[in-house]
Amino acid sequence: DTEVTQTPKHLVMGMTNKKSLKCEQHMGHRAMYWYKQKAKKPPELMFVYSYEKLSINESVPSRFSPECPNSSLLNLHLHALQPEDSALYLCASSQGWGEKNEQFFGPGTRLTVL
Amino acid sequence: DAKTTQPTSMDCAEGRAANLPCNHSTISGNEYVYWYRQIHSQGPQYIIHGLKNNETNEMASLIITEDRKSSTLILPHATLRDTAVYYCIVRVGNQGGKLIFGQGTELSVKP
Repeated sequence: DTEVTQTPKHLVMGMTNKKSLKCEQHMGHRAMYWYKQKAKKPPELMFVYSYEKLSINESVPSRFSPECPNSSLLNLHLHALQPEDSALYLCASSQGWGEKNEQFFGPGTRLTVL
Repeated sequence: DAKTTQPTSMDCAEGRAANLPCNHSTISGNEYVYWYRQIHSQGPQYIIHGLKNNETNEMASLIITEDRKSSTLILPHATLRDTAVYYCIVRVGNQGGKLIFGQGTELSVKP
């Protein structure tokens, strides 16, 4: 199984809502990532987890809260978002850090903030 | 990470080779060249990577110039399904997993 799954596929939320994005992989990968992609732009790294611990936070606002409850799951909790946070949120995983550790991406969750 | 420069868009006829260039003139000795692509409405997909030697796999070939300041991704027989945005990324091989995507090249394969 070389698949990264993400749920939901689409999410519409108001600025006062709290919602969560979910990512799952069963490849035994120990590194997991969240990226944000605005329309017609390249993906931008948000967070990196290594062995279930947050190792990189690319200065992401606190209204985005990542969580890695176990080695297969990665969540992104959303609270008090702004309309400019509307984007495609991509999850990825890799075996580790090294040269050959390609990242496998999920299909993304398309988020709209009203 | 070294910066990469790619053409914004390219066209290719179906069945012909697609040659996608990338300039990375400030690349360091320990930085690898990676290529990913993103088909519309999907997540990015790894294609190939290399350090200094040319590389080939079932998807593509990567040609890196001797001075390592530029590279070319070659899709030998492009199909309509190869229409995508292709990203050239330069990074240190064990740099904690960070991928810094540039603007990429939008490749359109036409019948």
